[in-house]
Amino acid sequence: AQTVTQSQPEMSVQEAETVTLSCTYDTSESDYYLFWYKQPPSRQMILVIRQEAYKQQNATENRFSVNFQKAAKSFSLKISDSQLGDAAMYFCAYRGYVIQGAQKLVFGQGTRLTINP
Amino acid sequence: EAQVTQNPRYLITVTGKKLTVTCSQNMNHEYMSWYRQDPGLGLRQIYYSMNVEVTDKGDVPEGYKVSRKEKRNFPLILESPSPNQTSLYFCASSLSHRLNEQFFGPGTRLTVL
Repeated sequence: AQTVTQSQPEMSVQEAETVTLSCTYDTSESDYYLFWYKQPPSRQMILVIRQEAYKQQNATENRFSVNFQKAAKSFSLKISDSQLGDAAMYFCAYRGYVIQGAQKLVFGQGTRLTINP
Repeated sequence: EAQVTQNPRYLITVTGKKLTVTCSQNMNHEYMSWYRQDPGLGLRQIYYSMNVEVTDKGDVPEGYKVSRKEKRNFPLILESPSPNQTSLYFCASSLSHRLNEQFFGPGTRLTVL
């Protein structure tokens, strides 16, 4: 079974600085998807960024980028120019490759990010 | 507006009193799923459905039931709730194709006394 591990329960960063959240995963599959979700105090799950394992290029969405190391099974999230609105719980998630059908997401434990003004 | 809705958003109940949390999506999605979120454990899948009348267990199905009689609705049923089912529950849906994103509902905070 696949597992996802986030080893940093809490992180904090000064506003405007850069922070990196860590995520490692375990799988025997060669094709899969990885995601970072943001959960602000409203509890809504918001997709931040996704990475397809067969793509070597790291995904980027504005101030959010990932460092995907397939061999090391590592998928870290970098937030540049941190803003107060980035404060949230962040979840790393894995989904196996399926053409159609069940699409279970396996989540990590979460990292609570605090932004200090 | 495309969305997944859940009701109720908050619920406090007592041990053994049957309850249902409703989930509805207006995007004609085939795939729907329930997750529970607990501190230090992240989100874990309870049940999922790949289409009408097709449901299957996730990782933590004990104490829960689901049904999928209509494509848009996927209720979660707790026949006899217990305190260890106190949790934050999320419904999610997506088209069944591999490329499609899962959309999450707003969550239901359940407390079982």
